[in-house]
Amino acid sequence: GESVGLHLPTLSVQEGDNSIINCAYSNSASDYFIWYKQESGKGPQFIIDIRSNMDKRQGQRVTVLLNKTVKHLSLQIAATQPGDSAVYFCAEKDQGGSEKLVFGKGMKLTVNP
Amino acid sequence: NAGVTQTPKFRILKIGQSMTLQCTQDMNHNYMYWYRQDPGMGLKLIYYSVGAGITDKGEVPNGYNVSRSTTEDFPLRLELAAPSQTSVYFCACSKGGGLTYEQYFGPGTRLTVT
Repeated sequence: GESVGLHLPTLSVQEGDNSIINCAYSNSASDYFIWYKQESGKGPQFIIDIRSNMDKRQGQRVTVLLNKTVKHLSLQIAATQPGDSAVYFCAEKDQGGSEKLVFGKGMKLTVNP
Repeated sequence: NAGVTQTPKFRILKIGQSMTLQCTQDMNHNYMYWYRQDPGMGLKLIYYSVGAGITDKGEVPNGYNVSRSTTEDFPLRLELAAPSQTSVYFCACSKGGGLTYEQYFGPGTRLTVT
């Protein structure tokens, strides 16, 4: 069935390192992917998105890579800062008419000073 | 603009009680959503709406009801609260129309049913 999941439940990095958060998806009909950041006690916040006709998209300190061949999505955070500590979710949208997103379980990133 | 607001922030219910979780958005977005998030888990879609007067079930609709009488408001109703409904509830909205699928989230309502 359709599912979006993350390879690693937790990731701990040192401040200044680059972080990579991975996400596997199983629905080959997904045409849109999005990453959210959720800080403790808050609602999810948009980080970056990518459509299936792209392989890579860059934002400020973040890059999303999409490998449709192996159904894999990754979020790269450059020069990770303590403020990046949060839970990160990937989500996907099926190419059908619905605009619903299916969320993965999330991965907690801890940045050590 | 306040974005998406939710009330209350916290609530404790006894088993069998009812309550309504309020959600209001001032972004003039067509689509609205209700999710629940259990500890250490992702978001599961309860109900969604593509416009005023139109609602549809998500992945986990049992035990909940919604209405959408205006573009701005999308209340979630729990009729007979059960311990399994202990969770954090998030409301979200999106513009709709296919140009962007980004959803904007409210701060959440933490509900405990005992």
